[in-house]
Amino acid sequence: LAKTTQPISMDSYEGQEVNITCSHNNIATNDYITWYQQFPSQGPRFIIQGYKTKVTNEVASLFIPADRKSSTLSLPRVSLSDTAVYYCLADSTDSWGKFQFGAGTQVVVTP
Amino acid sequence: DGGITQSPKYLFRKEGQNVTLSCEQNLNHDAMYWYRQDPGQGLRLIYYSQIVNDFQKGDIAEGYSVSREKKESFPLTVTSAQKNPTAFYLCASSTPGLYTGELFFGEGSRLTVL
Repeated sequence: LAKTTQPISMDSYEGQEVNITCSHNNIATNDYITWYQQFPSQGPRFIIQGYKTKVTNEVASLFIPADRKSSTLSLPRVSLSDTAVYYCLADSTDSWGKFQFGAGTQVVVTP
Repeated sequence: DGGITQSPKYLFRKEGQNVTLSCEQNLNHDAMYWYRQDPGQGLRLIYYSQIVNDFQKGDIAEGYSVSREKKESFPLTVTSAQKNPTAFYLCASSTPGLYTGELFFGEGSRLTVL
């Protein structure tokens, strides 16, 4: 079973910032948090990964507080093309080979 | 370009028939995976392989079989024992990477049982 819990869906308007929170109360010390994005009828693609504090790349930011019981994916200034399902995973090198996906969060961006 | 190729993209099967889905990667990754996705659902792990000639069952392996004779290839056979095989099947590979690794997915194969 996936170690994470996410909201089922979120709606946003173009140009807004979208923040998706993922709960992972019981992740292991050596678990990393990874986010993937999936469009309909396509395979998911990697967005960002982190362990603690804040990680930022060209498409998103990931904030993980010190207690690591949750994490937040931030999508700045979303556009219609950001409409997709977003998955939060918690995995470690110990579970390497068993990446567990939950149900994900459906984000819908409207004009 | 490096990547993962799945074929066929669409496949129709009669009940009682076995079908094999192809997955080939040229990323030189050791690990490969098969996931199943039903409409509106997340991905569920069927089988995974960390190295050639070795593979492990995932959460829903019943009714499926795999082989890993070559590093580049990880075919999935959906057998007649799989009670509800209609689904979207995704193959992936991963690099160990800096942390837990990053999954690279193919475009998927959509299987429909008639």
